[in-house]
Amino acid sequence: NAGVMQNPRHLVRRRGQEARLRCSPMKGHSHVYWYRQLPEEGLKFMVYLQKENIIDESGMPKERFSAEFPKEGPSILRIQQVVRGDSAAYFCASSPSQGAVTNEKLFFGSGTQLSVL
Amino acid sequence: GENVEQHPSTLSVQEGDSAVIKCTYSDSASNYFPWYKQELGKRPQLIIDIRSNVGEKKDQRIAVTLNKTAKHFSLHITETQPEDSAVYFCAASKDSSASKIIFGSGTRLSIRP
Repeated sequence: NAGVMQNPRHLVRRRGQEARLRCSPMKGHSHVYWYRQLPEEGLKFMVYLQKENIIDESGMPKERFSAEFPKEGPSILRIQQVVRGDSAAYFCASSPSQGAVTNEKLFFGSGTQLSVL
Repeated sequence: GENVEQHPSTLSVQEGDSAVIKCTYSDSASNYFPWYKQELGKRPQLIIDIRSNVGEKKDQRIAVTLNKTAKHFSLHITETQPEDSAVYFCAASKDSSASKIIFGSGTRLSIRP
């Protein structure tokens, strides 16, 4: 089991460009969470997705940010027209589903460090 | 929504001594409380978790206690070692198909040799 895979590990963008962050959950996991971590700060919830559905996006800015988890392929966190304040580590986590219980033991990826110049 | 507060933000203890990190949560419906350890530049990793139907859980040098009435839970590390130095995060959530896990702000633990 390869674990949660995120790529790229490091992403450099200039202001105004688009950033696309990818996350492949662990095998057998159908739930994906995205968190943002600023230097010396905690993990801020952004969005929770299941296959083809956004369950909770209450932590995601309403403009410029979007997320998807298609039936096939990885989950994508997309940031349009990036600004310097978007610079952070973005962590993806996945969990399995056991009936109605979904938050069993989040497993995190290694994160994508986004730097906006 | 759920709000998790964590204290202290930094903690320095002598090697061999114990370390205690405390968290409070706001949503009385929360019933799952994991703790994660994040070493510098690495991913957060689950070290222990507790559900609301128990008051204490122990795994070698690590223990977690939960007081549902007061909405407090704590992490206890005994006989601390240099490799315990890291940032520790508490979290809370509800067993629900639509529930997210909310993290505390983290505690940077340093073990002095």
